[in-house]
Amino acid sequence: DAKTTQPPSMDCAEGRAANLPCNHSTISGNEYVYWYRQIHSQGPQYIIHGLKNNETNEMASLIITEDRKSSTLILPHATLRDTAVYYCIDGSGGYNKLIFGAGTRLAVHP
Amino acid sequence: KAGVTQTPRYLIKTRGQQVTLSCSPISGHRSVSWYQQTPGQGLQFLFEYFSETQRNKGNFPGRFSGRQFSNSRSEMNVSTLELGDSALYLCASSFNTGELFFGEGSRLTVL
Repeated sequence: DAKTTQPPSMDCAEGRAANLPCNHSTISGNEYVYWYRQIHSQGPQYIIHGLKNNETNEMASLIITEDRKSSTLILPHATLRDTAVYYCIDGSGGYNKLIFGAGTRLAVHP
Repeated sequence: KAGVTQTPRYLIKTRGQQVTLSCSPISGHRSVSWYQQTPGQGLQFLFEYFSETQRNKGNFPGRFSGRQFSNSRSEMNVSTLELGDSALYLCASSFNTGELFFGEGSRLTVL
């Protein structure tokens, strides 16, 4: 079973920042936090991952709390194409074994 | 560079038949993993191969099997198909990090 918890759905206005929270209270010290998203009818897409420092790439920013029990994925300027299910995954599965939960369904509206 | 390629994209089988799905990873990737996605169970891990060896396996019955070839291409097989095996089967490849690159999937319908 997934070891992360996320809100089932969120809304965001186009052009605004989307902040998606995730709780991973059982994460171990050497396990990464990964974020993926799945746009309807496509395979999941890797977004970003981190261990304990905040990370940023061309898609998003990842903020991990100091105790590592939670994180937030930030899409700085959401567009309609960011409408998708977002999955937060901890690295407990090992060896590229991702344990997906139900994710957060983000709806970006005009 | 080319992404992960899965074939066939769509297929229809009847109960009791068997099916083989194919996955060509991104060039240079030695890890290939398979996932099943259904509306009821979501995305579930099937198994992962690295350098032709199965490194990890999910909680699926023995009817589900896979293999990886020396060129890293992978196949998965489902024997004695059941209605509940209808799903989107996704393959992902990796450089052996948590950054997986997924294909578009093979959608299997069992009648």
